[in-house]
Amino acid sequence: SQQGEEDPQALSIQEGENATMNCSYKTSINNLQWYRQNSGRGLVHLILIRSNEREKHSGRLRVTLDTSKKSSSLLITASRAADTASYFCATGMNTGGFKTIFGAGTRLFVKA
Amino acid sequence: NAGVMQNPRHLVRRRGQEARLRCSPMKGHSHVYWYRQLPEEGLKFMVYLQKENIIDESGMPKERFSAEFPKEGPSILRIQQVVRGDSAAYFCASSPKVTDTQYFGPGTRLTVL
Repeated sequence: SQQGEEDPQALSIQEGENATMNCSYKTSINNLQWYRQNSGRGLVHLILIRSNEREKHSGRLRVTLDTSKKSSSLLITASRAADTASYFCATGMNTGGFKTIFGAGTRLFVKA
Repeated sequence: NAGVMQNPRHLVRRRGQEARLRCSPMKGHSHVYWYRQLPEEGLKFMVYLQKENIIDESGMPKERFSAEFPKEGPSILRIQQVVRGDSAAYFCASSPKVTDTQYFGPGTRLTVL
């Protein structure tokens, strides 16, 4: 299975609610990144968190990283309809050459 | 500072033809990555290049696919003798250092008829 796996695969919430997405991985990482992708578009970088960091904030986004559990979470507070997109975690690791592995993504739908 | 540029945005090829996808990284970025995305799936790493060097091509099919990043000009992903299964979105990303954030281009959507 993939290095990065998001959970849940799909999430539907009402506008104003918080959305939490989780990412688990298998091997040691150098960093973990979260990206957003609107349907049919390119990826937009949200946050990069390094392996020695535990939490980062950016606006309504909060990312945590637990290297002991090999997991990360992305929290979007006070969601808006415009947050509707797919969210991917990507783990960056040194494996005899640096590589970034993407998970299959969480599809978030925010209902107005 | 322009973002990562990819062209063409859409490419249609018939089976057996060649597809050339171009990627111009952000200014100052010497690390380029190529990914493939099938519908409703995540991105699959294909190849990581630095100027004139292929660093990691472990995600690239052994046959028909090649990539380069010359000293001058864009990075090129080349697919020879395309088959229907090559139909996908191909994304390029760049970063200033290998451990830094990767910035993505808008992608090239390849359709093989």
